[in-house]
This record gives sequence, structure tokens and C-alpha cells, in this order.
Amino acid sequence: EVQLVESGGGLVQPGGSLRLSCVASGFTFSSSWMSWVRQAPGKGLEWVANIKQDGNEAYYVDSVKGRFTISRDNAKNSLYLQMNSLRPEDTAVYYCASRTSFKDWGQGALVTVSS
Amino acid sequence: VVMTQSPHSLPVTLGQPASISCRSSQGLVFSDGSTYLHWFQQRPGQSPRRLIYTVSNRDSGVPDRFSGSGSGTDFTLHISRVEAEDVGVYYCMQGTHWPPAFGQGTKLEIK
Repeated sequence: EVQLVESGGGLVQPGGSLRLSCVASGFTFSSSWMSWVRQAPGKGLEWVANIKQDGNEAYYVDSVKGRFTISRDNAKNSLYLQMNSLRPEDTAVYYCASRTSFKDWGQGALVTVSS
Repeated sequence: VVMTQSPHSLPVTLGQPASISCRSSQGLVFSDGSTYLHWFQQRPGQSPRRLIYTVSNRDSGVPDRFSGSGSGTDFTLHISRVEAEDVGVYYCMQGTHWPPAFGQGTKLEIK
């Protein structure tokens, strides 16, 4: 059974930093593109970033470029999202998802940016 | 690429069919010949779940009352007979052009 388990969410002040983690199991993590998708409260889904299998290519939505960094550790079956210079508009549930077609999803991690 | 879904809200009687439309601002055929248009269901309080990939392929465990069709810029999710567990928000998503983009969602409710 595929499982994606996010952690690291929480309350942070504007301008602060947070690091999300996602641990994968039940599929060959090292063979899969991985993504982060977010959902602001009461809103729709927004792709945030994705990373190639070997970690050598990564892509971001324009609104987070230069502030967020996606990375992975295939030895630990883990995906990360380092979020710096956080803004109130970054408040959302952040999901990790497998493949470029978002086949499997985690349960989400809530990030709240507020003073 | 902008993905536009209609309707925004869809009240349906149990046992009746339902359809959700998704239109893209550009054609979605990739250079490899595939069309990367997918459908997702998000039940209240749950994570999204992929139902259909590449227009018409149903994911494992998805009831066969769900089907997808379409080509070019116009796509449709069909539910042959709506059940209570189908309540939620449905999203289309394109992965052909960068960046990946979701539709705004269609909320299905029971009439």
C-alpha cells in the first residue's frame, strides 16, 4: 500500500522559515518524480514545486521561486520543502504527491503564516 | 494554460447521472502523442484522490460509474449514477504544459 506522510507544518510569523518533510513507502520512490501541491483555506489546488528522480532538476511556481526549495533523499525515501521568507498568502495545507500526474497524495501538513 | 470547469456547483439526485466539463485554453496533446489531462476527487475533509488519468484511464479501485472523455481542449468527467459517497469537489488538471494547472473545482452535492 502506498503511503505518503507529511510532517513539519505549524504556525510561523511572516518572514519566518519552515521545513516540510514527506516520507514515502509502498512504491519505488527513487524512480518517481515528486511534487508539492498546496490548498489555501477554502480554495482550490495549486501546484507548488516538483523534482526529478535523481534530484538534479526542480521546478517551481513563480510565486515561490527564490523562497522555497524542494529536495529529496532517495536513501531515506523522503521529500522536503524548505520554505523561507514566508508570507501570509503561503498559508495552506501542503500535500506531497507522487509522479507528475499526482497519482498518490499524503494527508497534508497545515502551514499557517500569521503574526 | 488556464483550465476552466463548469458548472461551479452541481446538485444531483441520487441515482442520476452527472457530468463535469473542463476546458483548457490550449490544446493538451503532448509531443509524445499523449494527452495529460487528469481528474481528481476531494471528499469533505480528505486529501485529493486521482480518479482518471490521461483523459479516460480509470485508477485502480475507482468505481466504473466514473469515466472520462474528450480531446483537444474539451474534456468531461461522467458519473453514470451518483451515490452519496460521490459528494465532494472535483478538479481537472493538465500536465502537458508547464506549469501544471488545476481547474477551479466543481462541487457536487446531493439534491
